[in-house]
Amino acid sequence: SQQGEEDPQALSIQEGENATMNCSYKTSINNLQWYRQNSGRGLVHLILIRSNEREKHSGRLRVTLDTSKKSSSLLITASRAADTASYFCATDTNNDMRFGAGTRLTVKP
Amino acid sequence: DTAVSQTPKYLVTQMGNDKSIKCEQNLGHDTMYWYKQDSKKFLKIMFSYNNKELIINETVPNRFSPKSPDKAHLNLHINSLELGDSAVYFCASSKGQAQALIQYFGAGTRLSVL
Repeated sequence: SQQGEEDPQALSIQEGENATMNCSYKTSINNLQWYRQNSGRGLVHLILIRSNEREKHSGRLRVTLDTSKKSSSLLITASRAADTASYFCATDTNNDMRFGAGTRLTVKP
Repeated sequence: DTAVSQTPKYLVTQMGNDKSIKCEQNLGHDTMYWYKQDSKKFLKIMFSYNNKELIINETVPNRFSPKSPDKAHLNLHINSLELGDSAVYFCASSKGQAQALIQYFGAGTRLSVL
């Protein structure tokens, strides 16, 4: 069954703007991962945040986790056209990992 | 070299046929997975194998049968294909049995059942 739900379903921004995607989930988790999927390709891991962490950075990516609200956000700063892709959160509950339906991000040049 | 490779990339077939999708990983991982991604992009796990042994078998019709000849390969055989089986099927692998580990995905097999 589905665990994480991404919001919004689709997001369109101009190059250079920041993009924020959210993920909400229902049950307690051990960790949460964000993946990216380019059109016609497989998913690629971006970042993992553990349940005892609140924020992680990787290059232009910033992930936050609020376990009290059961939510996470992925921020992409200074977006580029090449960031156009779908972004998925995956929640791990006792080694059972579940993906959401993703946020489709379009970055216009 | 591609880390997780699956073949074929595209598969178009008639209802009622039997087809197989192959997956191989050269990462030395112990665990492999099959996912189904429907038209709404929702990614759902179907099976998981650890060292050739089945560890996850979600509610999937028994027309779907995974086979793992060794830990580097996990093939998916589908009998009596139905229209609703049309989707993109992804193979993935991870270092160990804990699904929490980072998963590496193949490029997907787009199955169209006519």
